Amino acid sequence: VLTQSPGALSLSPGQRATLSCRASQSVSNSYLAWYQQRPGQAPRLLIYGASTRATGIPDRFHGSGSGTDFTLTITTLEPEDFAVYYCQQYDSSSWTFGQGTKVEV
Amino acid sequence: QVQLQESGPGLVKPSETLSLTCSVSGYPISTYWGWIRQPPGEGLEWIGSIYHTGSTYYNPSLRSRVAISLDTSRSEFSLKLTSVTAADTAVYYCAHILTGPYYFDYWGQGTLVTVSS
Repeated sequence: VLTQSPGALSLSPGQRATLSCRASQSVSNSYLAWYQQRPGQAPRLLIYGASTRATGIPDRFHGSGSGTDFTLTITTLEPEDFAVYYCQQYDSSSWTFGQGTKVEV
Repeated sequence: QVQLQESGPGLVKPSETLSLTCSVSGYPISTYWGWIRQPPGEGLEWIGSIYHTGSTYYNPSLRSRVAISLDTSRSEFSLKLTSVTAADTAVYYCAHILTGPYYFDYWGQGTLVTVSS
């Protein structure tokens, strides 16, 4: 089970966002990813391997953590960053998503 | 350019079978693929995955009702979900899974399936 916190984060453009993803069991760093979902759109891969940005993802997105605690940090929020963020893990041919954190204005 | 496109009925009656197809272009079909769904206003739920060898893996909560298949000649893979109820109403996404790190790197746009009589 992946538990994300907080459920919602109210911030303003220019501020820093810190999102947490906690796993019920230790996760290999290789198998932890983060996605962004804007309203009406499919999820978009942001971070894989816990800390590697996917192609085309701005460097204001940072992934960190290990074991059971992982963090997605958005250093300076841009207007297009207000969205829902999901963490995802893989383990033994099974995939699990966190319940999501909504970053709102 | 990698493109995934879901297709299938947008309305299914309770107790019937939901059937969707994902057409793939711009990427070899001989890799790893998955289905994910999202009920209205809720989060993402992994449904199942299929490897090009035909091996399938399903969410334990749906395993008794789900089947995923692959048609390499048509570059498409399919989802069948039996005995649907209103709780199966969701946007259904197909996605490519990068083998090794096992994340979803390419997604279809999603298709809304409503279960209602």
